[in-house]
Amino acid sequence: GAGVSQSPRYKVTKRGQDVTLRCDPISSHATLYWYQQALGQGPEFLTYFNYEAQPDKSGLPSDRFSAERPEGSISTLTIQRTEQRDSAMYRCASSLGQNNEQFFGPGTRLTVL
Amino acid sequence: QQQVKQSPQSLIVQKGGISIINCAYENTAFDYFPWYQQFPGKGPALLIAIRPDVSEKKEGRFTISFNKSAKQFSLHIMDSQPGDSATYFCAASRTGNTPLVFGKGTRLSVIA
Repeated sequence: GAGVSQSPRYKVTKRGQDVTLRCDPISSHATLYWYQQALGQGPEFLTYFNYEAQPDKSGLPSDRFSAERPEGSISTLTIQRTEQRDSAMYRCASSLGQNNEQFFGPGTRLTVL
Repeated sequence: QQQVKQSPQSLIVQKGGISIINCAYENTAFDYFPWYQQFPGKGPALLIAIRPDVSEKKEGRFTISFNKSAKQFSLHIMDSQPGDSATYFCAASRTGNTPLVFGKGTRLSVIA
């Protein structure tokens, strides 16, 4: 595709519900990153994929967070039993790899009530 | 531990002036230093980036200055325009497939 796309753009959920966010990277990009961005802050790393492999998930805040990229293209980020502190913008970025130029999507704004 | 420290938090510059944003990093393994520009409601967009083999990189009105010994780098926006009003993030990483570590951002307002 022309750029990184994410869906939904906005998600409002009640505390305790599960949510799944989707990222569709630039088609030629092998590497996909998930970041969490709080209001007024810079993005913070959650996890990343090289194709379908997930080499680093050290940034995931708890075991309620998980991510998948089963076919090496589209990725999902799932948050189970959401809590109010999970409210944030979730951003996906993709990269060709070696030079690490990362291209960001528009984000999903998650609000947990 | 904040690995990339960015200042100032906000900046107001007159149209035509020079905007300067500074960042300092701690991890000497970092060798890729990009700046991202973010407009409200949009994702961060890569503006300019530098690697430590050069001390300066210029693209149009935007210049990165890099000081390896001081572990500092800065963004200079020459002839600042109202359209430059945005939030700017510095970041750092190692070369290859590694996550970016971002500063907290600088909100730039360019006033006429």
